[in-house]
Amino acid sequence: GAVVSQHPSWVICKSGTSVKIECRSLDFQATTMFWYRQFPKQSLMLMATSNEGSKATYEQGVEKDKFLINHASLTLSTLTVTSAHPEDSSFYICSASKDRTSYNEQFFGPGTRLTVL
Amino acid sequence: AQSVTQLGSHVSVSEGALVLLRCNYSSSVPPYLFWYVQYPNQGLQLLLKYTSAATLVKGINGFEAEFKKSETSFHLTKPSAHMSDAAEYFCAVSVGGRRALTFGSGTRLQVQP
Repeated sequence: GAVVSQHPSWVICKSGTSVKIECRSLDFQATTMFWYRQFPKQSLMLMATSNEGSKATYEQGVEKDKFLINHASLTLSTLTVTSAHPEDSSFYICSASKDRTSYNEQFFGPGTRLTVL
Repeated sequence: AQSVTQLGSHVSVSEGALVLLRCNYSSSVPPYLFWYVQYPNQGLQLLLKYTSAATLVKGINGFEAEFKKSETSFHLTKPSAHMSDAAEYFCAVSVGGRRALTFGSGTRLQVQP
């Protein structure tokens, strides 16, 4: 199979603090990982694309200094929400793909629910 | 730029009835199309994908979808709904070198007993 895990599955933090979310491909090497954000009852919006060993590519309107993405290895990408505020509360989902073909299936993690008080 | 439109944010069917979830896409180049299912508080699971091979694609759990270029559609169907099919369904597209997915707004499927 192709399993992607996320940790933590949920987190509650105070406004102004930073939160790190991990995304791991458990049984394959992920050349590319994607981070999505999903508001309640809405679709997934791509935040950024990260390739192992290089800087992430952020979508228009996503603050790269606020949402720090690190893809240090072929099995791990992290998203750090810095100085979180209540409007950052959302469901964050990562996905990973095995190779660089455009149609290649993305394998999704279970998501992390962030609540900022 | 590519886009996906899912008609109907909510669809309700009776158990055993036909399921039809609609998806239309817009793309200037041949697209790759996907259907994903999301259960509450979970990530997405791939149901099926179209990658320019056969236009009728069969997926898991008895679902299938047909790529119709003339109609720019990729509707998802299942002959007989099961209670366990109740979930949120997303249609998505990727094109060319852009490997990220663009998702539709989703359709919530309810299955009535």
